[in-house]
Amino acid sequence: DARVTQTPRDKVTEMGQEVTMRCQPILGHNTVFWYRQTMMQGLELLAYFRNRAPLDDSGMPKDRFSAEMPDATLATLKIQPSEPRDSAVYFCASGLDRGLSSYEQYFGPGTRLTVT
Amino acid sequence: AQSVTQLGSHVSVSEGALVLLRCNYSSSVPPYLFWYVQYPNQGLQLLLKYTTGATLVKGINGFEAEFKKSETSFHLTKPSAHMSDAAEYFCAVSVDNFNKFYFGSGTKLNVKP
Repeated sequence: DARVTQTPRDKVTEMGQEVTMRCQPILGHNTVFWYRQTMMQGLELLAYFRNRAPLDDSGMPKDRFSAEMPDATLATLKIQPSEPRDSAVYFCASGLDRGLSSYEQYFGPGTRLTVT
Repeated sequence: AQSVTQLGSHVSVSEGALVLLRCNYSSSVPPYLFWYVQYPNQGLQLLLKYTTGATLVKGINGFEAEFKKSETSFHLTKPSAHMSDAAEYFCAVSVDNFNKFYFGSGTKLNVKP
C-alpha cells in the first residue's frame, strides 16, 4: 500500500531554531505539495513542485521558509528561524499528473510543529 | 479566481440520519471537484472526485456527491450516518492542468448515537 511518509511526526522547538521537515512522496509520483493547517487559517498551500521543479511558492513566507526537492524521493521544507506563529500541522501531498481525468493528491500524516 | 465555500463549519446528525455537507465553488472554467475526509491526527483522504462525465459521483464509505453546474455546487451526501463518519470534511477545486487545489474551510461532522 503506497503512502506518503513524513518525518518527524511531531516537533517541538524553541523560537529561533531551524526546523526541517521531510516528505517521501509515493514512488512514481511527479508532483509534490506542501500545506499548512491551522485552526485560524485552515489548509493553506505553501508550495508545490512538478518533476522536482518548483512551480509556485507564493504561499510561503520567503524570508524564513524554503522548500526543495533534492531528488525525486525526497522533499524538504525548512523554517529558519522559526517563530511561535509557525506552529501548525504541515502536510505533504503527492500526485501523478497523467492527464485530465486523473487528478488526485495523496496526503501524508503530517508533521505537528510547536514553536515555543 | 477560484474559491470554495463550505456552508456550516459544524454539522451534527443522529446515527442513521441523512448526511448533507454543502460545497459551492466559483470558477471561470469547468472545475475538477473533490471531497476529502480528515480523521483526528491524520492526513486527508480522498473520498470522491468529479472530473468529467457523470455528474453523480460515488465514493468510498457510502458517500456520493453531485456536480450541479447551474448551482455551482458539489454537495456531499450519505443516506445513513454511521458513528465512524465523524470527522472533518473538505471540499476542493482544481481548474487547470493538475495545478493548485483550492480547499474549503472544512466542515466538522458530529454523529450522535
